[in-house]
Amino acid sequence: AQSVAQPEDQVNVAEGNPLTVKCTYSVSGNPYLFWYVQYPNRGLQFLLKYITGDNLVKGSYGFEAEFNKSQTSFHLKKPSALVSDSALYFCAVRDPNAGNNRKLIWGLGTSLAVNP
Amino acid sequence: GAGVSQSPSNKVTEKGKDVELRCDPISGHTALYWYRQSLGQGLEFLIYFQGNSAPDKSGLPSDRFSAERTGGSVSTLTIQRTQQEDSAVYLCATQSYSNQPQHFGDGTRLSIL
Repeated sequence: AQSVAQPEDQVNVAEGNPLTVKCTYSVSGNPYLFWYVQYPNRGLQFLLKYITGDNLVKGSYGFEAEFNKSQTSFHLKKPSALVSDSALYFCAVRDPNAGNNRKLIWGLGTSLAVNP
Repeated sequence: GAGVSQSPSNKVTEKGKDVELRCDPISGHTALYWYRQSLGQGLEFLIYFQGNSAPDKSGLPSDRFSAERTGGSVSTLTIQRTQQEDSAVYLCATQSYSNQPQHFGDGTRLSIL
């Protein structure tokens, strides 16, 4: 069955340190991959996506993610964390072979806390 | 506005009442999704509209839930005979092309007393 896993419910990191939020997936074919961030009392905001091309994608707010096909992973990274990065992060994947059905498969989210 | 707009932002109602939640999409976005999110939790897919196709209702938790999308634009999610377990944030998202991201509204926070 198709699935997305975010193995860590919570990640804690000190301000200024690099951060990684992990995502692995199980989807046939070459997936479309997305990262979203959710701040308190807000909807989800798009950060970045991988559709095709360069495995390293750069997105909003200095975030980047690397598509690793052999490890079926799409981990979110940032070289230097800010306190304002504290939020809930969601990974999502779409099977491009699903025809007209565009539904995304969502991870359960990872809460990132950046400590001053 | 330029983004997805949801109304009301908050709704408090008594158990057993019906509620209607509204989503105004980004102009030209052909796909529209409704999700439910319990406090600090993940997203639960409810229903998906794509153009003039029949909606994908596979995520609706019971027949008390229904949704419409009129003229390919505004959508309303209706919950009949509300129960306390319906309390959650209901999020709407719209999308243009299939390789583009979904754009989310800020949600309606529904509280059933």
